[in-house]
Amino acid sequence: DVKVTQSSRYLVKRTGEKVFLECVQDMDHENMFWYRQDPGLGLRLIYFSYDVKMKEKGDIPEGYSVSREKKERFSLILESASTNQTSMYLCASRPANPFTDTQYFGPGTRLTVL
Amino acid sequence: KQEVTQIPAALSVPEGENLVLNCSFTDSAIYNLQWFRQDPGKGLTSLLLIQSSQREQTSGRLNASLDKSSGRSTLYIAASQPGDSATYLCAVPGTDSWGKLQFGAGTQVVVTP
Repeated sequence: DVKVTQSSRYLVKRTGEKVFLECVQDMDHENMFWYRQDPGLGLRLIYFSYDVKMKEKGDIPEGYSVSREKKERFSLILESASTNQTSMYLCASRPANPFTDTQYFGPGTRLTVL
Repeated sequence: KQEVTQIPAALSVPEGENLVLNCSFTDSAIYNLQWFRQDPGKGLTSLLLIQSSQREQTSGRLNASLDKSSGRSTLYIAASQPGDSATYLCAVPGTDSWGKLQFGAGTQVVVTP
């Protein structure tokens, strides 16, 4: 079975802190994704990576950056956390073909910024 | 831009009834349509992926149909159980190189014992 793990299930940070969210997948997938999920707004794509060291902006990249130094690990970075970044963050991975393959999601990180 | 809609937003049924969940999309030029399940506070789990060339896909008590021409997919869950209570989301990949998924808002299902 594909496994996608996220470093924390719950995280509480202060405004202005630098925050790292880590995601690791064990199936050698080329593509990885970061989403945030908010009530009434649904799932929104922040960034995705189609290969090591490669990244593309999603729909809402402002205030975020990402890093993918190894194939299995994709990090989401909040350079200076703000209260409007309080949300559920979901990581996903997928094999290379977007037209025949589904995405596999991690359990999520509930981030609260005070 | 592709828009994905799920109606109703919430549904409550007694145990044993069949569930019918609807998904509609505005652009019929899709490669596939995917159904996911999400339990409260958890990540998404892939249930079914229907390729554009298929009319339906089945897995156990789940059956998903796809009508590209009308822009609709339906997820049927037979003989519902309380464990089926969750939010069900449908999604379609965009036709750009990356196939980014466009998600519906989901249908929240409660199956009462």
